[in-house]
Amino acid sequence: EVQLMESGGDLIHPGGSLRLSCVVSGFPFNNHWMSWVRQSPGKGLEWVAKINEDGSEITYVESVRDRFTISRDNLQKSVFLQLTSLRVEDTAVYHCARLVGPEGSTVALFDSWGQGTLVTVSS
Amino acid sequence: QAVLTQPPSMSGAPGQRVTISCTGGRSNIGEGFDVHWYQQLPGTVPKVVIYGNKNRPSGVPDRFSGSKSDSSASLAITGLQTEDEGYYYCQSYDSRLRAYVFGGGTEVTVL
Repeated sequence: EVQLMESGGDLIHPGGSLRLSCVVSGFPFNNHWMSWVRQSPGKGLEWVAKINEDGSEITYVESVRDRFTISRDNLQKSVFLQLTSLRVEDTAVYHCARLVGPEGSTVALFDSWGQGTLVTVSS
Repeated sequence: QAVLTQPPSMSGAPGQRVTISCTGGRSNIGEGFDVHWYQQLPGTVPKVVIYGNKNRPSGVPDRFSGSKSDSSASLAITGLQTEDEGYYYCQSYDSRLRAYVFGGGTEVTVL
């Protein structure tokens, strides 16, 4: 059974930093792209970042570029998201998700999700 | 504001049909990028119900169907059931933003 479990969310002041972790099981982690997707009541779902199998290809949504850093440790079967210079609008539940390219499709999709970890940015 | 536009809410009686639209632009759906649809039931994480515009993953009832035309896509739910209540999101890719993009979500209520 595929499982993803996030941790690290917290209440943090604007400008602060936080590190989120996601440990996975039930599939060959080092064969898959991984991603972070956040969900907030006001903005719905928003893709944040993705990382390829060996960590050599990384992409971010523009709103977090230069503030967030995605990384992975294949031995620990974990993916991480370092959040810095946090803003109120970064408040959300952060999900890690497996990113797959379905056969015959031009766009990857998120086929497995963790329950998420809540990041609240407030003074 | 989401890149892909969905109606905020839709409703229908049990057994009826609801169709949720997802409108994009020339740099995403209109450029030929596929659309996927997710169902998020209360207290759960999103689950794929349609991928590649019209394909159903195994285990998803054939009451769910998808289509795409020009810069828009649609998810239809026929024979609406109470267990279909929840939020539905479309997702694609935007070449200008170089990002995966979602619709704002549609809350489906069964009357």
